[in-house]
Amino acid sequence: GAGVSQSPRYKVAKRGQDVALRCDPISGHVSLFWYQQALGQGPEFLTYFQNEAQLDKSGLPSDRFFAERPEGSVSTLKIQRTQQEDSAVYLCASSGKGGQATDTQYFGPGTRLTVL
Amino acid sequence: AQSVTQPDIHITVSEGASLELRCNYSYGATPYLFWYVQSPGQGLQLLLKYFSGDTLVQGIKGFEAEFKRSQSSFNLRKPSVHWSDAAEYFCAVGGRNNFNKFYFGSGTKLNVKP
Repeated sequence: GAGVSQSPRYKVAKRGQDVALRCDPISGHVSLFWYQQALGQGPEFLTYFQNEAQLDKSGLPSDRFFAERPEGSVSTLKIQRTQQEDSAVYLCASSGKGGQATDTQYFGPGTRLTVL
Repeated sequence: AQSVTQPDIHITVSEGASLELRCNYSYGATPYLFWYVQSPGQGLQLLLKYFSGDTLVQGIKGFEAEFKRSQSSFNLRKPSVHWSDAAEYFCAVGGRNNFNKFYFGSGTKLNVKP
């Protein structure tokens, strides 16, 4: 596609439910990033993939958060046993046909997760 | 520790007036610096970026930013604001040695008065 797409755009979950958020990066992009953006804040880094390898997951807030990119394209961010503090917009970005540091990150529109 | 500070949470300017949005960063190595704009319901869009070389960088939509190493700043400017510039603006820092991780500021929301 022309840009990064994310689905669903909105998700409401009851506390304790599991959710899965999908990211379709720009075709051919090597790098994929997940960010969490709380209300009124800037995005905060969660995790980074280069192809199918998860090279950095230092931003994942707890072991309830899990991300995968098994074939090096589509990625899924899974949150188990959701808590109210997980309510945020989850942004996905992709970059780089060459995986270079200077590659521009292109962001998707985000998934707004609300945990009741 | 790496961090970005955007001291102005909200700014209101009149259409046609000049604009400067402030950004200060803390980063332990040579920084890569970025400005993104976020409109409601839209993803973040890159306005401009600085990696090296000329410290005054030009971006899209008539924006520019100047890197001042001595002040650890990367302020965004536009000589004449248009109503369509109303949005939220984020400054971010990354680095050559840790390019996968960006640190974003908390954003500045720009309102434009007619």
